[in-house]
Amino acid sequence: NAGVTQTPKFQVLKTGQSMTLQCAQDMNHEYMSWYRQDPGMGLRLIHYSVGAGITDQGEVPNGYNVSRSTTEDFPLRLLSAAPSQTSVYFCASSEDLAGAGNEQFFGPGTRLTVL
Amino acid sequence: TQLLEQSPQFLSIQEGENLTVYCNSSSVFSSLQWYRQEPGEGPVLLVTVVTGGEVKKLKRLTFQFGDARKDSSLHITAAQPGDTGLYLCAGAHGAGSYQLTFGKGTKLSVIP
Repeated sequence: NAGVTQTPKFQVLKTGQSMTLQCAQDMNHEYMSWYRQDPGMGLRLIHYSVGAGITDQGEVPNGYNVSRSTTEDFPLRLLSAAPSQTSVYFCASSEDLAGAGNEQFFGPGTRLTVL
Repeated sequence: TQLLEQSPQFLSIQEGENLTVYCNSSSVFSSLQWYRQEPGEGPVLLVTVVTGGEVKKLKRLTFQFGDARKDSSLHITAAQPGDTGLYLCAGAHGAGSYQLTFGKGTKLSVIP
């Protein structure tokens, strides 16, 4: 199993550009999440999904959209990139709700720079 | 907002030394997880502690959950260069909760 995969690994955008960060998992997990990791801030939840067709906002959702058309895929869209969105983005999946203490499996991350 | 405070933020030690990392909160958690993250990779779960006072050992790593389930510690005996990484604690809020609360991490460097 590949686990959780993310593409691209690195990305540089100009302010105002849009892009989609891809995330896929092959563990048949219902629950998937997107986090951003910034120095001194820890991991912060952007959006999460409890199954295909069901998504909800996390702690820092502004400027991001998500959709979940299949169990496997959970893309994150930046609508109009801003320098404040410069960060490392992690996708994670789990068998059950993360807040219930279930193990989260993280992808390798996408390092995004917005100029 | 429930916070998890980790200390120290940075730790640089020589190979063979012992160390302890702390994770503290004023909130009660149903369980607490410890993850290790290596440079350029995502976090990987080391352990989950569930019961107040619980102690779990993973080779040279010892994890303890406080009696009141508000704090936790990670002790590493005879640290090795392979232990280098970012250690994150994450608190869970119970069944039905979608979100973990992550600490900001302790960056450990073990010098050969």
